[in-house]
Amino acid sequence: IAGITQAPTSQILAAGRRMTLRCTQDMRHNAMYWYRQDLGLGLRLIHYSNTAGTTGKGEVPDGYSVSRANTDDFPLTLASAVPSQTSVYFCASSEGDRGRYGYTFGSGTRLTVV
Amino acid sequence: AQKITQTQPGMFVQEKEAVTLDCTYDTSDPSYGLFWYKQPSSGEMIFLIYQGSYDQQNATEGRYSLNFQKARKSANLVISASQLGDSAMYFCAMRENTGGFKTIFGAGTRLFVKA
Repeated sequence: IAGITQAPTSQILAAGRRMTLRCTQDMRHNAMYWYRQDLGLGLRLIHYSNTAGTTGKGEVPDGYSVSRANTDDFPLTLASAVPSQTSVYFCASSEGDRGRYGYTFGSGTRLTVV
Repeated sequence: AQKITQTQPGMFVQEKEAVTLDCTYDTSDPSYGLFWYKQPSSGEMIFLIYQGSYDQQNATEGRYSLNFQKARKSANLVISASQLGDSAMYFCAMRENTGGFKTIFGAGTRLFVKA
């Protein structure tokens, strides 16, 4: 089934540990995004990539890094996790970075930092 | 700067009636897109409808329509003939078509459909 796969589904992480959230899509979409969802705040953009080899910062990039070595994969790394990074993380992709292309979302990763 | 505002944290509607979910936005970019997404209790995000800033007509997708009032910077979602399965969180979103093409989301409105 075409779409986005995120892993892990959920994780409890000790503060200070490094963690990589994985995101893979099989739709050959150029643009990919990472959002975090927190109650009452909607979804906030962490990082994005308009095409393989390029990345950009979103609204809340501090404490996170991304890479886009190829079209399909867009991992999100927390270098040293803190409790404020407890959230649900969604990876998304779109066929283009403008126009009427809506996002396809992954099923999310629920991360708890303790 | 981009901004999306959804002022209704929660809404109730009777099954088979229509409901309007409010969304206002702010942008200085003349070219932008407006989107609505649905998030059921299962957690996945589902793209519902799109409206371009230069589109002359309001967008429609089945029971969903977008009431686009450009001068007022509003993009309300109208759901006709509500069904129990419409109970979910609904997010309004906007993407500017210049300067990074990032999409920002509102805080969401939770819709409850009553039988």
